[in-house]
Amino acid sequence: QVQLVESGGGVVQSGGSLRLSCVVSGFTFSSYGMHWVRQAPGKGLEWVAFIWYDGSNKYYPDSVKGRFTISRDNSKNTLYLQLNSLRVEDTAVYYCARVMSDWGTASDWGQGALVTVSS
Amino acid sequence: QSVLTQPPSASGTPGQRVTISCSGSSSNIGRKTVNWYQQLPGTAPKLLMFTNDQRPSGVPDRFSGSKSGTSASLAISGLQSEDEADYYCAAWDDSLNGMVFGGGTKLTVL
Repeated sequence: QVQLVESGGGVVQSGGSLRLSCVVSGFTFSSYGMHWVRQAPGKGLEWVAFIWYDGSNKYYPDSVKGRFTISRDNSKNTLYLQLNSLRVEDTAVYYCARVMSDWGTASDWGQGALVTVSS
Repeated sequence: QSVLTQPPSASGTPGQRVTISCSGSSSNIGRKTVNWYQQLPGTAPKLLMFTNDQRPSGVPDRFSGSKSGTSASLAISGLQSEDEADYYCAAWDDSLNGMVFGGGTKLTVL
């Protein structure tokens, strides 16, 4: 069955960096675009990044553009999110999700990785 | 401030029908399909409805979706206690070049 497993979360100081990974199984990873979506404690969902199936195109909201980088290694069935210049307001659970043909459709989600940024 | 607008809360008694609205604009709902996600307490979001009104396998037909113009809605009939969750609408936005979410609606089953 489809599985997405995030790792790499933890506690980091403001201004620091972290890299999240998302290992997938149960589907042909190289055929699908992927999202990262985050959820701050007690808050709603916020889209963070999107990458095409082959990594050739990437999209970010203004809130993270220039600080976060999405990438993928199709040979390892792994999606990454590099988080730099972290701020306290980046504290959240970060989810990876498989994207269907419509880019607004995230069909499968991981369990999430908690990133805590301390001041 | 979310790009898509949802009521923050909704409620109903078991067996009732509840509707959750989602309002957007011409750059998202007006030209793209709407999706709904259900998030049970302490769990990851789950796709509940895609392409406006399509249910993934395993989602009961008590759940239905619709879209008209720049608005969409999710209806839950025969409300059950296990439907108590947060519900989010979402769509791709062509102007922002990104996925946009509603602020979420917390559904309480009384």
